[in-house]
Amino acid sequence: AQKVTQAQTEISVVEKEDVTLDCVYETRDTTYYLFWYKQPPSGELVFLIRRNSFDEQNEISGRYSWNFQKSTSSFNFTITASQVVDSAVYFCALSEARDDKIIFGKGTRLHILP
Amino acid sequence: DGGITQSPKYLFRKEGQNVTLSCEQNLNHDAMYWYRQDPGQGLRLIYYSQIVNDFQKGDIAEGYSVSREKKESFPLTVTSAQKNPTAFYLCASGSYYEQYFGPGTRLTVT
Repeated sequence: AQKVTQAQTEISVVEKEDVTLDCVYETRDTTYYLFWYKQPPSGELVFLIRRNSFDEQNEISGRYSWNFQKSTSSFNFTITASQVVDSAVYFCALSEARDDKIIFGKGTRLHILP
Repeated sequence: DGGITQSPKYLFRKEGQNVTLSCEQNLNHDAMYWYRQDPGQGLRLIYYSQIVNDFQKGDIAEGYSVSREKKESFPLTVTSAQKNPTAFYLCASGSYYEQYFGPGTRLTVT
């Protein structure tokens, strides 16, 4: 069965610090996709990244970077030089190619303190 | 503009009443989804529909019903049988590969 675990329920850091959000997943499929979404206070989910199971290259997009490690079933998300606007709830998610739905973790609420 | 609309943004109902949440998309996606979000619980799948006139239960379908008469529309009815209906409801369209979300409806039942 699919499962996504985000062990950190809430994190607070001071602005400009780096912060890493952890995500561990479980799946029996060899073909799957991993996602990160951001949910600002407005409530709407914003797509950040999708990774397929065959691409373990790390990705960097501005201050955001993602580390995908199949050996540890992890897909961690790092924000470098955090800003107050990064304050949000972040969700990690997983889907399997054979199943037309996405399973979400419980989310990590991130507070960036000025 | 392409996207997903949900209305209303806030909804208040008395206990014992059924209430229907609207979801419309113009992205031409075949599949649509309803999620429920409670504090600390993440997003939990209520129902999803892969094609018109067909839908499947998700993880927490009890107390909810849906219909899919048109590709663009996937309304969710929260029935009086739902024991804890107060929550934030998100609609999405897409597939296992990508999903686009609406702005959500916050339902409060008193």
